Amino acid sequence: KQEVTQIPAALSVPEGENLVLNCSFTDSAIYNLQWFRQDPGKGLTSLLLIQSSQREQTSGRLNASLDKSSGRSTLYIAASQPGDSATYLCAPRQGGGATNKLIFGTGTLLAVQP
Amino acid sequence: KAGVTQTPRYLIKTRGQQVTLSCSPISGHRSVSWYQQTPGQGLQFLFEYFSETQRNKGNFPGRFSGRQFSNSRSEMNVSTLELGDSALYLCASSLRQGATNNEQFFGPGTRLTVL
Repeated sequence: KQEVTQIPAALSVPEGENLVLNCSFTDSAIYNLQWFRQDPGKGLTSLLLIQSSQREQTSGRLNASLDKSSGRSTLYIAASQPGDSATYLCAPRQGGGATNKLIFGTGTLLAVQP
Repeated sequence: KAGVTQTPRYLIKTRGQQVTLSCSPISGHRSVSWYQQTPGQGLQFLFEYFSETQRNKGNFPGRFSGRQFSNSRSEMNVSTLELGDSALYLCASSLRQGATNNEQFFGPGTRLTVL
């Protein structure tokens, strides 16, 4: 059974800092992994998708890496801004083409102080 | 292109009642998944549909059911509501099933409160 852990659970940083969010998963047989952000009381916004054959993906100030063999993914946020404050969730999708089921971690609550 | 829409956005029901939630996926997307989010359990998978067929189901009681229509819109139903069913219900839309580049997009959710 896939279990996903995100560290740290909460993080508070001053504006402008570069930061790293960590995600680990127990079953390495994943198809892909998505990173999402969630603002309070809102739905999830997809940030990046890394396919199982990829090592990293970049979008603007965000860079996500994937190491399947060690069961780890990291989300790097450069030059953080107050607007980045949200909960960040990682979600691997299990192997096999018959399902889109995502397993979610408990998230990292990020606060960027102006 | 419009995103995933969910209706209603907020619902208040009493124990024992039933409720139906609706999800319209992104135009052209044929796969819809449902998740329940609570402070205690986090995000948990309910079920997923593709081409009007349920393809996978999470570990929830039979009071939770769903369906998908020919236009890919999906509904989920919860019967005999319990206090513990209070949650944010999220719908995810994707182009197809499978494929490693199949990105999923979420709607704003329906906040259900059971009194």
